[in-house]
Amino acid sequence: TQLLEQSPQFLSIQEGENLTVYCNSSSVFSSLQWYRQEPGEGPVLLVTVVTGGEVKKLKRLTFQFGDARKDSSLHITAAQPGDTGLYLCAGRHNDYKLSFGAGTTVTVRA
Amino acid sequence: ETGVTQSPTHLIKTRGQQVTLRCSSQSGHNTVSWYQQALGQGPQFIFQYYREEENGRGNFPPRFSGLQFPNYSSELNVNALELDDSALYLCASSQRQGAIDEQYFGPGTRLTVT
Repeated sequence: TQLLEQSPQFLSIQEGENLTVYCNSSSVFSSLQWYRQEPGEGPVLLVTVVTGGEVKKLKRLTFQFGDARKDSSLHITAAQPGDTGLYLCAGRHNDYKLSFGAGTTVTVRA
Repeated sequence: ETGVTQSPTHLIKTRGQQVTLRCSSQSGHNTVSWYQQALGQGPQFIFQYYREEENGRGNFPPRFSGLQFPNYSSELNVNALELDDSALYLCASSQRQGAIDEQYFGPGTRLTVT
């Protein structure tokens, strides 16, 4: 059972388009992380958000943590084929266990 | 700086057997967490080791056990393998710093149980 719900499950877009991936929960998290995973590899950490309402930018990627620290979004501007992958959000409560969503598979077509 | 490494890369076992997976943590990290990732799912937390002690466990039976060594490397042992244990096993290391615990993952071990 995934505590974090990610939507959509699959997303296929053309190069140059924008996309947004959502991560929602009924739980409050002390921090939330976003990862990207490629087939046969481990997840790669993209960002950690800690403060409610926080917005972080990483080149063409914008991450937002909800005011109540229960949800988050990832927005990619002008997507490129290299952005293709499985995007995972993971929330942490006051312990050190990370709870992952099931992920959003993003495919960017050239 | 050396990243997280795992061995072996792939493994095939038969039901009922036992398996040991290994993980070397990133330099400077003192915490190792293990996850199981089934096909099409996000990783599920198995347990975490901090300074050689188990520090938190997910919803996995006792036949999943682990160790952490003084150099912070770790092993995951699974006894009495079942078909449903087939998955990608991921190890993540981190350096605990207050409220932040950024975990860095290894490439995983693909276990197939037949």
